[in-house]
Amino acid sequence: GEDVEQSLFLSVREGDSSVINCTYTDSSSTYLYWYKQEPGAGLQLLTYIFSNMDMKQDQRLTVLLNKKDKHLSLRIADTQTGDSAIYFCAESTGGGNKLTFGTGTQLKVEL
Amino acid sequence: GAVVSQHPSWVICKSGTSVKIECRSLDFQATTMFWYRQFPKQSLMLMATSNEGSKATYEQGVEKDKFLINHASLTLSTLTVTSAHPEDSSFYICSARERLTRTGNQPQHFGDGTRLSIL
Repeated sequence: GEDVEQSLFLSVREGDSSVINCTYTDSSSTYLYWYKQEPGAGLQLLTYIFSNMDMKQDQRLTVLLNKKDKHLSLRIADTQTGDSAIYFCAESTGGGNKLTFGTGTQLKVEL
Repeated sequence: GAVVSQHPSWVICKSGTSVKIECRSLDFQATTMFWYRQFPKQSLMLMATSNEGSKATYEQGVEKDKFLINHASLTLSTLTVTSAHPEDSSFYICSARERLTRTGNQPQHFGDGTRLSIL
């Protein structure tokens, strides 16, 4: 099956690090993505990682991939109020043609 | 770069009306476009995949006669919800992707979504 699971909600204080976790099931996924969705808006691509990589860093964002456990995480350093949104992980399936999205994690950043 | 424009952003109409939603890639050629539906506080559900110049491929359970998709050019795809009813009320989001490279990675770029409310 193609189930992608995330925790529903995460609350952090401004300035702290946030870690959003994701587990997926399709071992043939070649790319895994993180998207951000603000209220009433579409999805913004944050970053992605190729399946043969363990880690990717992009400014405040760090993606860790444990392919053995099919576990993906997104770490946001120095979390700001503007980071409050829903974060979706997604895996490429169907030979790279489709995306299967996770359930989404709502991140709330408190002052 | 990679901007996708979706129009309209919000539409309210009476039951029985047909509604057309446009999705445009502004600065790249989108050989493939995707249409998703999102219910409140839920994830995105893929409705259909359309490749330029060919018929759309619908996901299981999605009525192709209800949700008409046209991808007539490399920069435009439209979704028409025919004879819309209150249960069709939802947030519809399109995405666009350039031609897949040999490595297979071309991220999908998303529009801002269309909130459809049927009275």
